[in-house]
Amino acid sequence: GAVVSQHPSRVICKSGTSVKIECRSLDFQATTMFWYRQFPKKSLMLMATSNEGSKATYEQGVEKDKFLINHASLTLSTLTVTSAHPEDSSFYICSVVGYRHNEQFFGPGTRLTVL
Amino acid sequence: QKEVEQDPGPLSVPEGAIVSLNCTYSNSAFQYFMWYRQYSRKGPELLMYTYSSGNKEDGRFTAQVDKSSKYISLFIRDSQPSDSATYLCAMSAAGSARQLTFGSGTQLTVLP
Repeated sequence: GAVVSQHPSRVICKSGTSVKIECRSLDFQATTMFWYRQFPKKSLMLMATSNEGSKATYEQGVEKDKFLINHASLTLSTLTVTSAHPEDSSFYICSVVGYRHNEQFFGPGTRLTVL
Repeated sequence: QKEVEQDPGPLSVPEGAIVSLNCTYSNSAFQYFMWYRQYSRKGPELLMYTYSSGNKEDGRFTAQVDKSSKYISLFIRDSQPSDSATYLCAMSAAGSARQLTFGSGTQLTVLP
């Protein structure tokens, strides 16, 4: 399967700052990536679909001005949490769509803590 | 009613036991079924991928899909402490913009 990396793996920031999370597909050209959010002991919540060269599609209830997504190349998508607040603290995971229909390969996740 | 229901556990078994993990779903359009394993503070890892009804085996893991009952299962034979993780079922319909619908996950602990 595809190898996906995320950077940073963990970030702690002050309230009001912006944080950028990178998702890289290391061995696979990814026209589509997904961004998820996961709370402790909960399942994954889809935030947005990131398409290379076009605007991201956000799920209902996800603020697109708050969570900025850029998918500028076939190997990199970034999620920027703008003006982060403590309620944005969570585990953020990206995924890459594989060759088989609707197959997804996930990155290792980024743990964001906003103080 | 959620589209996908999964018993959250926690499930605790002795090493060597056969583990059965299950999900039920309500959307008859689902045709693609996956099982992911997620270790604590890590991203999910794809274990099994199946299309439509039937069984698929990979080493100690067997995935079963019964579309008539809208029920899928993952069996783990000869369970090991390293199998301790949260297991997520995921499914998708054809033409669904590549999105997956996840179960809530079952937390499994295999005791040595």
